[in-house]
Amino acid sequence: AQKVTQVQTEISVVEKEDVTLDCVYETRDTTYYLFWYKQPPSGELVFLIRRNSFDEQNEISGRYSWNFQKSTSSFNFTITASQVVDSAVYFCALSLHSGNTPLVFGKGTRLSVIA
Amino acid sequence: DTGVSQDPRHKITKRGQNVTFRCDPISEHNRLYWYRQTLGQGPEFLTYFQNEAQLEKSRLLSDRFSAERPKGSFSTLEIQRTEQGDSAMYLCASSLVSFSYNEQFFGPGTRLTVL
Repeated sequence: AQKVTQVQTEISVVEKEDVTLDCVYETRDTTYYLFWYKQPPSGELVFLIRRNSFDEQNEISGRYSWNFQKSTSSFNFTITASQVVDSAVYFCALSLHSGNTPLVFGKGTRLSVIA
Repeated sequence: DTGVSQDPRHKITKRGQNVTFRCDPISEHNRLYWYRQTLGQGPEFLTYFQNEAQLEKSRLLSDRFSAERPKGSFSTLEIQRTEQGDSAMYLCASSLVSFSYNEQFFGPGTRLTVL
């Protein structure tokens, strides 16, 4: 069975600080995709980033970056120079095979950025 | 591209009543997913379709739940004889099956309250 664990339930940071959200996943499949979604107070899930299991190269996209390590089954997400608008619940999710299968979500991490 | 839409946005019903929700996916998206999200949890998969074919149903989908996508476009999710435990946010998502594009895009959700 697949499982996604987000250990941090809530994080609070001061604006402009960097913050890293942790995600650990479990799967026996060798082909899978990992995603991060953001759920602002309005409630709609917004896709942020994805990474497939064959590509461990870490990337930066604007203020977002991610660290994918298969050896530790971790897919951590970092926001640099956080802003108040980053306040939301962030979900890590796993999808098997090609990625077009149902997502398995973690329980989410609530991020509060204080001005 | 108007995104995924869901109707209604909110539904309050009395226990034992039937309710039906509608989801309109992004046009040309061939996969459509239903998830349920309770307070403080991540979304949980219910069922999904490829065009009009229902590919998989979660164990969470009891006999009181039925979903269909009759023409491969919009989908409906019906709950019969609602129970208080059915109170949740019901999320719909759609995706386009391709080699390089597999993110699921979510609608705003339908919040169900069963009194």
